[in-house]
Amino acid sequence: GQNIDQPTEMTATEGAIVQINCTYQTSGFNGLFWYQQHAGEAPTFLSYNVLDGLEEKGRFSSFLSRSKGYSYLLLKELQMKDSASYLCAFPRGQNFVFGPGTRLSVLP
Amino acid sequence: NAGVMQNPRHLVRRRGQEARLRCSPMKGHSHVYWYRQLPEEGLKFMVYLQKENIIDESGMPKERFSAEFPKEGPSILRIQQVVRGDSAAYFCASSPQDREGPYEQYFGPGTRLTVT
Repeated sequence: GQNIDQPTEMTATEGAIVQINCTYQTSGFNGLFWYQQHAGEAPTFLSYNVLDGLEEKGRFSSFLSRSKGYSYLLLKELQMKDSASYLCAFPRGQNFVFGPGTRLSVLP
Repeated sequence: NAGVMQNPRHLVRRRGQEARLRCSPMKGHSHVYWYRQLPEEGLKFMVYLQKENIIDESGMPKERFSAEFPKEGPSILRIQQVVRGDSAAYFCASSPQDREGPYEQYFGPGTRLTVT
């Protein structure tokens, strides 16, 4: 079957580093996406991994291990504006299967 | 370059009424996707359309829901005889055509439907 699992909620302190994990099961793997969604707003694209390893993009990095069905999003130097839900997703045909999202709260 | 546009942003309907949600994709995009997000839940795929064609409606409820993407004008998601359980945020996304493999989808701001 196809399934994605993420922690429901996480809390971290401003300036800290946080890692949001995502485990998935799918046949015909074709890459993994991360989206950020602020409350009441649309999801916005953060990253896409198709090969194993770490992809760094400013304060955000995303890691993929295809053999383990595992990805994580790493957020450094947390800011208050990073408080949002983080969704991992994989393509299924022409559409996406989204995880339930991890709601991150950044505290001062 | 305007992003994906959806209207209305908020829609209130009484049980039994019809809801029509509109989505205009980004310029140059001809693939449209509709997703539903229930409170405190993730995005669930509903339907994927190209101009004048429904490509995948595997996530669409069998009754009361329909979608179209005409040759001219926006894509429309139509919900007939709405019930309280239809209350959710409905997001539209678009992507460019003629690309192999996965690609980024661009999301609109969503329509928040409340059924009273």
